[in-house]
Amino acid sequence: AQSVTQPDIHITVSEGASLELRCNYSYGATPYLFWYVQSPGQGLQLLLKYFSGDTLVQGIKGFEAEFKRSQSSFNLRKPSVHWSDAAEYFCAVGASGTYKYIFGTGTRLKVLA
Amino acid sequence: DSGVTQTPKHLITATGQRVTLRCSPRSGDLSVYWYQQSLDQGLQFLIQYYNGEERAKGNILERFSAQQFPDLHSELNLSSLELGDSALYFCASSDQTPTGGETQYFGPGTRLLVL
Repeated sequence: AQSVTQPDIHITVSEGASLELRCNYSYGATPYLFWYVQSPGQGLQLLLKYFSGDTLVQGIKGFEAEFKRSQSSFNLRKPSVHWSDAAEYFCAVGASGTYKYIFGTGTRLKVLA
Repeated sequence: DSGVTQTPKHLITATGQRVTLRCSPRSGDLSVYWYQQSLDQGLQFLIQYYNGEERAKGNILERFSAQQFPDLHSELNLSSLELGDSALYFCASSDQTPTGGETQYFGPGTRLLVL
């Protein structure tokens, strides 16, 4: 069955520290992969996406993610977290020929000053 | 701002009632998606329309229905509301043909509270 797993429900980091949010997927077809961020009371904002090509993709707000096919992973990283990064982060997967995304359950990020 | 608009922002109603949520996609986008986000179910895909036609169905209840109009705006109708329907409802639109791989842009959501 198709699925997306975000193993960490909550993560707390100090401001200025590095961040890695994990995402693992199970998908029969070649996946298209996305990371979205949701601030409290807001909609989902696209951070970055991977369709093909270079497996390291750059996104907005200084985020990047690396697609590792052998590990079925698409982890999100940021070298130095800012207090404004506190939000919930969702990984999603889609595929050519399908019309819907499957979302992970989200990782809530807390940033300590 | 994604360019996707949703109205109303908040909706409070009673059990058994019917409500309509409205979504306007980004200019030029033909696909509209509806999602439900609740604490216990997470973000669930409900239904997708492309240029007025239903293209895909997800976990949408029979009490719920949607349509997309010629001007491409979409409405999600929720009827015989139950307490468990309280959730955040998102609309998204996408910028490519309906063959997958397109990027979905989300609206700010409508928060529905059923009392």
